[in-house]
Amino acid sequence: EVQLVESGGGLVQPGGSLRLSCAASGFDFSDYSMNWVRQPPGKGLQWVSYISSASSTIYYAGSVKGRFTISRDNAKNSLFLQMNSLRAEDTAVYYCARRTHDYGDAFDIWGQGTLVSVSS
Amino acid sequence: SYVLTQPPSVSVAPGKTARITCGEDNIGSVHWYQQKPGQAPVLVIYYDSDRPSGISERFSGSNSGNTATLIISRVEAGDEADYYCQVWDSSSDQYVFGTGTKVTVL
Repeated sequence: EVQLVESGGGLVQPGGSLRLSCAASGFDFSDYSMNWVRQPPGKGLQWVSYISSASSTIYYAGSVKGRFTISRDNAKNSLFLQMNSLRAEDTAVYYCARRTHDYGDAFDIWGQGTLVSVSS
Repeated sequence: SYVLTQPPSVSVAPGKTARITCGEDNIGSVHWYQQKPGQAPVLVIYYDSDRPSGISERFSGSNSGNTATLIISRVEAGDEADYYCQVWDSSSDQYVFGTGTKVTVL
């Protein structure tokens, strides 16, 4: 079964750090570009970051650039998001999502999400 | 920056047709996602009007260049969800999601 499972969320104080992980299974992870997308409570989807299959191309949303770092370990079928200098507005469910091969640049597989709460 | 405006809500009776717009000048190719409460989004339309494998043929899409539209025909209670459009903005190298539309089945 094709699957993405996020972990690493939790409660952190403003200014703190957190590292999210996304474990992939059921497909050749090294073949696919990946993304992080977040959703603040009761609000819409916000794209956060993109990484190409070989990590050669990386993009960030303006709101997280300079604070968040996306990375991957293809040998371990894992995607990561290092989040530093966290703010209250970073509070959200964070999803990892696979960029499809078959459907252009859309996201065809999503994890179930992990909640990050930034509060004192 | 890019803003994809969607109507906040659309209400439709069972068996009728729901239309959700996603507006922006020169919008480019649009993907659509369905998100039910407590669940991750699901891709329902890609490249304006194509359906991924496993998605009901009741879902279709169109794009006039200024406005993209998701069309849900013969609406069922199970279609009640939030719907988001998405594009890739090559000028800023960012993905952009629409503001989201809550579809309510009356």
